[in-house]
Amino acid sequence: GESVGLHLPTLSVQEGDNSIINCAYSNSASDYFIWYKQESGKGPQFIIDIRSNMDKRQGQRVTVLLNKTVKHLSLQIAATQPGDSAVYFCAESLPGGFKTIFGAGTRLFVKA
Amino acid sequence: EAQVTQNPRYLITVTGKKLTVTCSQNMNHEYMSWYRQDPGLGLRQIYYSMNVEVTDKGDVPEGYKVSRKEKRNFPLILESPSPNQTSLYFCASSLLGAASGSIEQYFGPGTRLTVT
Repeated sequence: GESVGLHLPTLSVQEGDNSIINCAYSNSASDYFIWYKQESGKGPQFIIDIRSNMDKRQGQRVTVLLNKTVKHLSLQIAATQPGDSAVYFCAESLPGGFKTIFGAGTRLFVKA
Repeated sequence: EAQVTQNPRYLITVTGKKLTVTCSQNMNHEYMSWYRQDPGLGLRQIYYSMNVEVTDKGDVPEGYKVSRKEKRNFPLILESPSPNQTSLYFCASSLLGAASGSIEQYFGPGTRLTVT
């Protein structure tokens, strides 16, 4: 079936460095992509989103890149901080936004 | 405070004993959804609802029921729970994409269910 996957299940970075979390999606009909952050014991929290008619979107310290040619999504976190340590999920939604497919998640460790 | 609440937060039950996990949101969102989260599998959608009395199956609906009689509430019902339904469950809500231009979902804190 359709799925959203992640290339690296665990990522460890030094505080202050930039982090890049990658994601592959398989449904070419998906038109909306979201990154969520999940801290231990909490529900996922929205970070940033991007629609399929865009290839880049920036937020505060975060940037999402979308490459539809290879069905690839990435989340870049600038100047990674200890508070960024969490599990990050990419998700895709089909037109209408009713069904959402999540990836398995990448755990980000930030070393002080 | 805008939030999604779930009850109970933790539940241990036995096979076959019917249970309901409640979900409520105070943001007047049309869309609500239930997910289960299992190690290595991420979040998988169980059911979703576009509005009152409108629900549809997600990817893993077997063994679950839902209802949407009021806009703010979206309970998840397990008529006859089995051990393979042991999981962490999340409820989420959002505005519908067409209206808001964004369909980010707001998640509840989760319900950890153990079926023995």
